[in-house]
Amino acid sequence: TQLLEQSPQFLSIQEGENLTVYCNSSSVFSSLQWYRQEPGEGPVLLVTVVTGGEVKKLKRLTFQFGDARKDSSLHITAAQPGDTGLYLCAGPNGGSEKLVFGKGTKLTVNP
Amino acid sequence: DAGVIQSPRHEVTEMGQEVTLRCKPISGHDYLFWYRQTMMRGLELLIYFNNNVPIDDSGMPEDRFSAKMPNASFSTLKIQPSEPRDSAVYFCASRNSGRGYNEQFFGPGTRLTVL
Repeated sequence: TQLLEQSPQFLSIQEGENLTVYCNSSSVFSSLQWYRQEPGEGPVLLVTVVTGGEVKKLKRLTFQFGDARKDSSLHITAAQPGDTGLYLCAGPNGGSEKLVFGKGTKLTVNP
Repeated sequence: DAGVIQSPRHEVTEMGQEVTLRCKPISGHDYLFWYRQTMMRGLELLIYFNNNVPIDDSGMPEDRFSAKMPNASFSTLKIQPSEPRDSAVYFCASRNSGRGYNEQFFGPGTRLTVL
């Protein structure tokens, strides 16, 4: 089974700061997804990256897929309290429909 | 369009009781997944269905857990008898295999507490 490790596990910052969270594996993934989960809700898909080296932007969020497709990062510029949540990365487990999830980075943005 | 619907949102029960969690996937989605989330273990896949047929139940922890999907718009996850270690948030997710790259759409979850 392929594994995804996320770091840091917890991150608490002030509004307006920038941050980067990471998702790493020793295995190659055909694609990686990022989800955000707010307290009391299910994960919501933010983006899927497919090509090695790909960069996608979603407003203040920038997602990058590593050249070797073994890692990904999420950078948030000028974080806002509304960015608070658990950020999960996930990728397909081999050729199946199953997704393997990292344990997530719990982000708190303080006003 | 309505998202994935789960009920109940919260369930508190006593050890030994039967618990049934319900899920209505997004219309037109052909895959349905049941997950369990805890602080210690994160999000774990329990079982998934394709076109109402169970494909992989290797994540189901014990015989106390069972899942059914009698039709394309309804699935249940049953725990009988329940134990305190089953306390967790249970999510249902669905997916349309004809679109995207394995993206799944999650329901709001059922928070189960077994006393």
